[in-house]
Amino acid sequence: GAVVSQHPSWVICKSGTSVKIECRSLDFQATTMFWYRQFPKQSLMLMATSNEGSKATYEQGVEKDKFLINHASLTLSTLTVTSAHPEDSSFYICSARDVVDPRQPQHFGDGTRLSIL
Amino acid sequence: KNQVEQSPQSLIILEGKNCTLQCNYTVSPFSNLRWYKQDTGRGPVSLTIMTFSENTKSNGRYTATLDADTKQSSLHITASQLSDSASYICVVSETSYDKVIFGPGTSLSVIP
Repeated sequence: GAVVSQHPSWVICKSGTSVKIECRSLDFQATTMFWYRQFPKQSLMLMATSNEGSKATYEQGVEKDKFLINHASLTLSTLTVTSAHPEDSSFYICSARDVVDPRQPQHFGDGTRLSIL
Repeated sequence: KNQVEQSPQSLIILEGKNCTLQCNYTVSPFSNLRWYKQDTGRGPVSLTIMTFSENTKSNGRYTATLDADTKQSSLHITASQLSDSASYICVVSETSYDKVIFGPGTSLSVIP
């Protein structure tokens, strides 16, 4: 089945560091990828929709200068958390939709656990 | 406001027993409803997807039902196994495939 790979799976870094998370669709092409944030015991919260070759669409309340998204190819989107602070610590999950059949459910990566000290 | 509610919030059952999780939604216009399983520390994995015209869909020991008139769905797990312990998330899509609304999830614990 379709696989979405996220890297890294776990990051621990100092406050003020910028962290890049990669999301790759391994066996399908995705014109659209989604970035979510999930706090403990809560459901996923959509942060932004990443479109290949164009600017990402951010949800209300999400700082686009804080969370930089680049979707340079049909198989790769990146999320960079700039100047991360402890309050940015969370579980970040990406998902991708197959460009061939957008009716199929989004395929999720396994998430990146970000811990800012 | 489009919303998805799930019940119960958490559930503990004995291994081998059956259980049913509920999902109510107010999303309109409705496109499809999906159930996902999310293991701790992992991304969600799709179990079933149902459109307006479908009222039941099975995937192994998982059976989902949908009543589009009452806007209710259920996920029935048969002969539960320890590996079924996870969060089960109901996700409803509007007619735009990009717009999905996540339920808060039901945390299921299967104990020996």
